[in-house]
Amino acid sequence: DTGVSQDPRHKITKRGQNVTFRCDPISEHNRLYWYRQTLGQGPEFLTYFQNEAQLEKSRLLSDRFSAERPKGSFSTLEIQRTEQGDSAMYLCASSQTGMLNEQFFGPGTRLTVL
Amino acid sequence: AQRVTQPEKLLSVFKGAPVELKCNYSYSGSPELFWYVQYSRQRLQLLLRHISRESIKGFTADLNKGETSFHLKKPFAQEEDSAMYYCALTISNFGNEKLTFGTGTRLTIIP
Repeated sequence: DTGVSQDPRHKITKRGQNVTFRCDPISEHNRLYWYRQTLGQGPEFLTYFQNEAQLEKSRLLSDRFSAERPKGSFSTLEIQRTEQGDSAMYLCASSQTGMLNEQFFGPGTRLTVL
Repeated sequence: AQRVTQPEKLLSVFKGAPVELKCNYSYSGSPELFWYVQYSRQRLQLLLRHISRESIKGFTADLNKGETSFHLKKPFAQEEDSAMYYCALTISNFGNEKLTFGTGTRLTIIP
C-alpha cells in the first residue's frame, strides 16, 4: 500500500460539464475526508465518511456536489454543472478509527473549469 | 465556529538562524492542534501534533491556551526546511475529526 491515491491528478473541463473524482484510501482506514483548497488558502473541509456512511457535509458542499463511499473503501466526488468557482485542488484524506489518529492525504486532483 | 490564523504568508530566514512560524486559533473549547507541512511537489503531511509533545526534525510547538497560540519553532534553520506550513485544529469527538486549517506560511531558508 503506497498511501492514499487520487485519480485523476488533473482535470480540465468546460463550464456546465460534470466531473467525477476518485479517492482510494489506505486499506485499513475507516475514516475518509474530502477537502477543497483554493489558491492562497488552506484546505477546507467538505465531507466525512465513517466506513460507507456519510456523516457530515459542509455548507460549502452545494447541491451540485455529491460524494459516495459505497463499500466503505474507495470514494467518489461528483460535481454536476461545473462553474468556474469550482476550480480548486480537491484533497482526500483517510485515517484509522480512534482518537486523533493521523490523517494521511492524497496528492489531490486539480480541477480547472474553463 | 473554530478559526486558525497564520499572520505571515511568507517568511524568509537565513540558514542556521532560528525559525518561528506563528499560529493563533479561536475556539471556545479545547481543540487539538497540529502542524502540517507540504514540501515542493509532495503531498500534505503531518509534521507534529500537540498531544504527542514531540519534536520532529528539530521543530517544536507549545500550546499556549492563554494566548490561544501554537507557534512552531526551530532553533537552527536548515535548507531542507523550505516548505509550506499549515497550522490546523480539530475537536476530538471520537468521530469526525475534520481539520480546520490556517492559510499557511511559505518558509524559505536562505543559504
